[in-house]
Amino acid sequence: ETGVTQTPRHLVMGMTNKKSLKCEQHLGHNAMYWYKQSAKKPLELMFVYSLEERVENNSVPSRFSPECPNSSHLFLHLHTLQPEDSALYLCASSQRWGGGNEQFFGPGTRLTVL
Amino acid sequence: AQSVTQLGSHVSVSEGALVLLRCNYSSSVPPYLFWYVQYPNQGLQLLLKYTTGATLVKGINGFEAEFKKSETSFHLTKPSAHMSDAAEYFCAVSLANAGGTSYGKLTFGQGTILTVHP
Repeated sequence: ETGVTQTPRHLVMGMTNKKSLKCEQHLGHNAMYWYKQSAKKPLELMFVYSLEERVENNSVPSRFSPECPNSSHLFLHLHTLQPEDSALYLCASSQRWGGGNEQFFGPGTRLTVL
Repeated sequence: AQSVTQLGSHVSVSEGALVLLRCNYSSSVPPYLFWYVQYPNQGLQLLLKYTTGATLVKGINGFEAEFKKSETSFHLTKPSAHMSDAAEYFCAVSLANAGGTSYGKLTFGQGTILTVHP
């Protein structure tokens, strides 16, 4: 595997389910990100981890819970989601966290909440 | 704080024609500027970026962009469109100085869908 991978690529869940999204980067980077991409809205940064420490949390509802066990892996745990949470969730990584560092994106997980 | 405005949510060109995608930004400090492309069912891929130095930046696939500080613009161009250029394009800005919780994050525009006609 190369670059940034995300699993699953598609996920359908009910509002009472608990599921997790997984992201893995094979680039030796130290920063990882979760973004939400909804139709007709700009990409929204959700969380940033730098050296496994959360450095940014953009007022994301608690039903989204990130986890970064090491610099190569990032998870997004989901529970009691709402239909408006349906979106494409993108993971990205960069060498360091900071302006000017290119972010490499995974292909995303398409989430549908019924 | 920073923001990005992409003028035109849809742009349509003929194959071989000039591609011009517009991006204006606002930033309280010198910005870093990026253009990303997203093909259907894929993540975003960096086309080019401006950090410092030469204001005309060349990227992949024949694209280039010019940083114009006086106009707060970073428009993306390509002299001759190919069918394979059809995708959604995102302009993004981040602040130049690392430090503080808001520095380092990318703020994206709403995206411009480019359609290329034969």
